[in-house]
Amino acid sequence: EVQLVQSGAEVKKPGESLKISCKGSGYSFTNYWIGWVRQMPGKGLEWMGIIWPGDSDTRNSPSFQGQVTISADKSISTAYLQWSTLKASDTAMYYCARGSGTYPYFDYWGQGTLVTVSS
Amino acid sequence: QSALTQPRSVSGSPGQSVTISCTGTSSDVGGFNYVSWYQQHPGKAPKLMIYDVTKRPSGVPDRFSGSKSGNTASLTISGLQAEDEADYYCCSYAGSYTWVFGGGTKLTVL
Repeated sequence: EVQLVQSGAEVKKPGESLKISCKGSGYSFTNYWIGWVRQMPGKGLEWMGIIWPGDSDTRNSPSFQGQVTISADKSISTAYLQWSTLKASDTAMYYCARGSGTYPYFDYWGQGTLVTVSS
Repeated sequence: QSALTQPRSVSGSPGQSVTISCTGTSSDVGGFNYVSWYQQHPGKAPKLMIYDVTKRPSGVPDRFSGSKSGNTASLTISGLQAEDEADYYCCSYAGSYTWVFGGGTKLTVL
């Protein structure tokens, strides 16, 4: 069974750093893309970026370029989303999703990680 | 990269059909046959309903269908059921391994 299990909810202060994770199981982690999607409170889905864990080839949305870092450790089948300096506006639910196909669609999703940034 | 345009809400009665539109540009929806649709119930993760414009993953009822004409993709749900009430998002490949989502549509089953 394909599963993506994300790390738990986080409460952080502005200016702090954070790294959340997404662990894949039940499939060959290095042969599928992993994408990250933001959903701000009461708002829609926003595509942030995507990584090929096999070689860490990463593509970022222009909207998020320089704001977050996407990485992966294929030895433990885990992808990451990282911030160096959090802002209150980073408060959101973050989903990882497996990308399938040549121009991927997202067929399996993690349960989401809620990040709250507040002083 | 602007979000794709979806109606904010649509509604229908049980048994009826509804269609949700998703309008982009020739740089995304119109330029590629890689539109997908996602269903999201409150408090839940999104679920893939349609991919590559018209294809249904296994397990998705055939009441759900997708199409595209020019820069506009559409999701049609026939034989509406109460459990179809959810938010629906389109997503299109936009070139150079980037994607863009629509703003989302709230479907109400009356």
